[in-house]
Amino acid sequence: KAGVTQTPRYLIKTRGQQVTLSCSPISGHRSVSWYQQTPGQGLQFLFEYFSETQRNKGNFPGRFSGRQFSNSRSEMNVSTLELGDSALYLCASRRVPQETQYFGPGTRLLVL
Amino acid sequence: KQEVTQIPAALSVPEGENLVLNCSFTDSAIYNLQWFRQDPGKGLTSLLLIQSSQREQTSGRLNASLDKSSGRSTLYIAASQPGDSATYLCAVRGDTGGFKTIFGAGTRLFVKA
Repeated sequence: KAGVTQTPRYLIKTRGQQVTLSCSPISGHRSVSWYQQTPGQGLQFLFEYFSETQRNKGNFPGRFSGRQFSNSRSEMNVSTLELGDSALYLCASRRVPQETQYFGPGTRLLVL
Repeated sequence: KQEVTQIPAALSVPEGENLVLNCSFTDSAIYNLQWFRQDPGKGLTSLLLIQSSQREQTSGRLNASLDKSSGRSTLYIAASQPGDSATYLCAVRGDTGGFKTIFGAGTRLFVKA
């Protein structure tokens, strides 16, 4: 059974640009959550999607947005990139109502 | 606001030793608590999940306990091996305020052969 996949794995952008990251959950998992991991702040929750609807949202500015498609695949978008957005972005899926989250390998974003 | 603290931040032990990692949280209104391991530059691997109504969970050499009233969880690793070297993270999912998941900063474990 394939795990959670994230594309791309690595990305280099410059300040002011925008970026879109993609996450494909494990087959049958309809919930997808996104997290940002940095050395200074650790792992922080961005948002969770279930059935194409955002269910929860963390404390991030509106530049961070996401969506989920009917096949449960999810994308997150960051507009007007800042240096501080450099991080490992992780997505996790789960089979609702089960609670165990399964993480992908992450997308490492570097903003120059 | 939920805060999750993990102690110690780093730990180095010889192979074969039993060890305990600690996680504390400030708001006892939790839905569940999950322990993960993360290898350098990689994603997270789920180890154990404890529902708020449970006291402990076991998987192989791992045992996790939960004391909601005191806001504490421990992860016990028996007979540690060099392959256990990783960062261990605990994550608390609240049962209010949107069921958000809050992570601790992690404990970096190094098991010496």
